[in-house]
Amino acid sequence: ETGVTQSPTHLIKTRGQQVTLRCSSQSGHNTVSWYQQALGQGPQFIFQYYREEENGRGNFPPRFSGLQFPNYSSELNVNALELDDSALYLCASSPSALNVGELFFGEGSRLTVL
Amino acid sequence: KNEVEQSPQNLTAQEGEFITINCSYSVGISALHWLQQHPGGGIVSLFMLSSGKKKHGRLIATINIQEKHSSLHITASHPRDSAVYICAVTNFGNEKLTFGTGTRLTIIP
Repeated sequence: ETGVTQSPTHLIKTRGQQVTLRCSSQSGHNTVSWYQQALGQGPQFIFQYYREEENGRGNFPPRFSGLQFPNYSSELNVNALELDDSALYLCASSPSALNVGELFFGEGSRLTVL
Repeated sequence: KNEVEQSPQNLTAQEGEFITINCSYSVGISALHWLQQHPGGGIVSLFMLSSGKKKHGRLIATINIQEKHSSLHITASHPRDSAVYICAVTNFGNEKLTFGTGTRLTIIP
């Protein structure tokens, strides 16, 4: 039990639609990162938020956007969904910035785009 | 950009065997994480290392900063240890984690 919850656990969308994935972190965890994990591959960094501001971004297009809220929850939004967006989306929170502290992962949201 | 390589990619062993999983990276790091991912997808953080060695139960993680190499050892392996083990690193001044592709471990009773 990591104290990080993600919702929904599974969802199916069609190409062109928009999706919002949610992550609830432990109290006091100021840093949250989002990762995309395609089937059979390692996770890829999407972006990180620290104290409600974006604090680093991976190689993902602008249609991937995020928000972090004062209550330690965060969102990942993906617009204009493409088939290749089908993946497991993981969030990880930490009490420290720059990922130098222990990480707490959620169970992930599995997105299928048809 | 840091490249992270793990070996082996797949490992099958009998219950009770001593397991070693290796991780190498190409550029100096601020921290290295060992993670465990079960078939459902959830990831659990096992260790975070910046130097030396850490032990937790039957798990031991070591890192050699000069050689840019880390190992994860499992003593007295058990079928419940079956999972994918992932090593991930962070670079100085960089916010992102770079992940290896993982080692799929299967322990046979």
